[in-house]
Amino acid sequence: GAGVSQTPSNKVTEKGKYVELRCDPISGHTALYWYRQSLGQGPEFLIYFQGTGAADDSGLPNDRFFAVRPEGSVSTLKIQRTERGDSAVYLCASSPGGTGSTEAFFGQGTRLTVV
Amino acid sequence: ELKVEQNPLFLSMQEGKNYTIYCNYSTTSDRLYWYRQDPGKSLESLFVLLSNGAVKQEGRLMASLDTKARLSTLHITAAVHDLSATYFCAVDFYSGYALNFGKGTSLLVTP
Repeated sequence: GAGVSQTPSNKVTEKGKYVELRCDPISGHTALYWYRQSLGQGPEFLIYFQGTGAADDSGLPNDRFFAVRPEGSVSTLKIQRTERGDSAVYLCASSPGGTGSTEAFFGQGTRLTVV
Repeated sequence: ELKVEQNPLFLSMQEGKNYTIYCNYSTTSDRLYWYRQDPGKSLESLFVLLSNGAVKQEGRLMASLDTKARLSTLHITAAVHDLSATYFCAVDFYSGYALNFGKGTSLLVTP
């Protein structure tokens, strides 16, 4: 597609439920990132994929968070046993990969609200 | 600790005026990015600065990077209302992929 696409754009879930957030990166981009943006803050790094593998998941806050990218394109961020503190905008970004610029192109985000 | 600090965090300025937003960071890096975010929207890439002394301009915005001072500036010339948005600087510290963002500068340009 023309840009990074994220679905759903909004998600409201009850505390304790499981959610999946989807990201479709720019075609041909091998690098994919998930960030989380809380109100009034800058995005915080969660996880980075190069191809199918998670090259760095050090930003995931705890083991309730998991992400996959099985075919090296679409990625899914999964959150188990959601908590109210998980409420934020989850941003996905992609880049061509390789060395040099790490300029990332961001999607519109999924606004997650845990009630 | 890896820190990126922007100031000011809030800025209200009149149309036609000039102003500078500052981005300081804690550890050596030569990869710095500026993004713009409109309310409810995602981040739009504005500038990529990859070396000491880099200067880039687009319209009324000009960004520069001083890696020795660990400082980047975003200068606004003759502001117009359309520039109202939140501006983020982001630094790549060593990793080659993860960006550390500042808290953002919320800019409001008034008539």
